[in-house]
Amino acid sequence: KAGVTQTPRYLIKTRGQQVTLSCSPISGHRSVSWYQQTPGQGLQFLFEYFSETQRNKGNFPGRFSGRQFSNSRSEMNVSTLELGDSALYLCASSPATDSYEQYFGPGTRLTVT
Amino acid sequence: QKEVEQNSGPLSVPEGAIASLNCTYSDRGSQSFFWYRQYSGKSPELIMFIYSNGDKEDGRFTAQLNKASQYVSLLIRDSQPSDSATYLCAVNRHGGSQGNLIFGKGTKLSVKP
Repeated sequence: KAGVTQTPRYLIKTRGQQVTLSCSPISGHRSVSWYQQTPGQGLQFLFEYFSETQRNKGNFPGRFSGRQFSNSRSEMNVSTLELGDSALYLCASSPATDSYEQYFGPGTRLTVT
Repeated sequence: QKEVEQNSGPLSVPEGAIASLNCTYSDRGSQSFFWYRQYSGKSPELIMFIYSNGDKEDGRFTAQLNKASQYVSLLIRDSQPSDSATYLCAVNRHGGSQGNLIFGKGTKLSVKP
């Protein structure tokens, strides 16, 4: 069974631009969570989707948004990029929201200049 | 008080020794506790989860949970150089799903041959 895939793997953007990151969960998994990882703050929860519905949202500004499609694939969007948005963005999938097993993808490394 | 606290390390142990990793959390309502391992440049991978007080063993790994003390630990027996990584403790939010986790900043473990 293929793992979680994220595209693109690396991205360089300029301040003020917007970016869309994509995540394809493990086949059969319906829950997708997004996290931001930085050296200073560590791993921080962004949002969680299940069956195309946002179930939870972390403490991030409204510039961060996401969505999930009927095939469970998910995208997150960051508008008006700031230098502080430079981070590793990780997607994790699990069969359902009450599943203890969550599998992370390889991440997208975003650099904002 | 930080929600999930871990010593950043590095924790250095000789090969074959027991490595003890500790984590405290602030939300008494948290129900589920996770240990992830993250190798440098890689994404986190789940080692174990625990939700009942006491010990849970899986091979060389033992997770220990004490809800009264708000403390969770991970013991690694017969440590190997391949265990050298950053170990992340994670806790689900009170009333939250398993995909909405609060992570500590991790403890870096170094196992010396």
